[in-house]
Amino acid sequence: NAGVTQTPKFQVLKTGQSMTLQCAQDMNHEYMSWYRQDPGMGLRLIHYSVGAGITDQGEVPNGYNVSRSTTEDFPLRLLSAAPSQTSVYFCASTTQRGFGNTIYFGEGSWLTVV
Amino acid sequence: AQSVTQLGSHVSVSEGALVLLRCNYSSSVPPYLFWYVQYPNQGLQLLLKYTSAATLVKGINGFEAEFKKSETSFHLTKPSAHMSDAAEYFCAVSGGSQGNLIFGKGTKLSVKP
Repeated sequence: NAGVTQTPKFQVLKTGQSMTLQCAQDMNHEYMSWYRQDPGMGLRLIHYSVGAGITDQGEVPNGYNVSRSTTEDFPLRLLSAAPSQTSVYFCASTTQRGFGNTIYFGEGSWLTVV
Repeated sequence: AQSVTQLGSHVSVSEGALVLLRCNYSSSVPPYLFWYVQYPNQGLQLLLKYTSAATLVKGINGFEAEFKKSETSFHLTKPSAHMSDAAEYFCAVSGGSQGNLIFGKGTKLSVKP
């Protein structure tokens, strides 16, 4: 009954460091995505994937990298962290790209860049 | 392109009072609409969704929303607020070429005893 699992839950980084936020789902979902949540901004799409080996950019992709080597995993990489990337990050998945399908979210990863 | 506007970043009601959270959408095609709730320091949980079946959609925890095409609205209501309803609520529309969710900026609901 794991659903969408994100790690770590909390992380502090120094400016310029790199790191990877992990996301895994055990529901055999084709579609996975990453959002960031900032106060007063709602959630904004960073990157998404419609299946293994296929990724695409969302609304705010700069400074982030993704890959999708398996159906289960969709890691988000911060290449050189900046204070502007301080945010809460959510991974999400759904059965397949579809306009009415329920999208399931992970518990979030709180990232602070100092 | 699809978009969502949530009216009011912060709504405060008394316990037992009606909850009304407003959401208006913009869409060039028939929309799929969602309401999600986020409790402090937690992820997002689906409250309800509209997928072109009944215009009045019932969700969890006593919430419901009515799709009104003429008003391009999908407001969320609950007849009687409970302290446990205090959370942030997000309206979203399914849009773009891949059906990605496009979120409003959120409405934080406070419930006073």
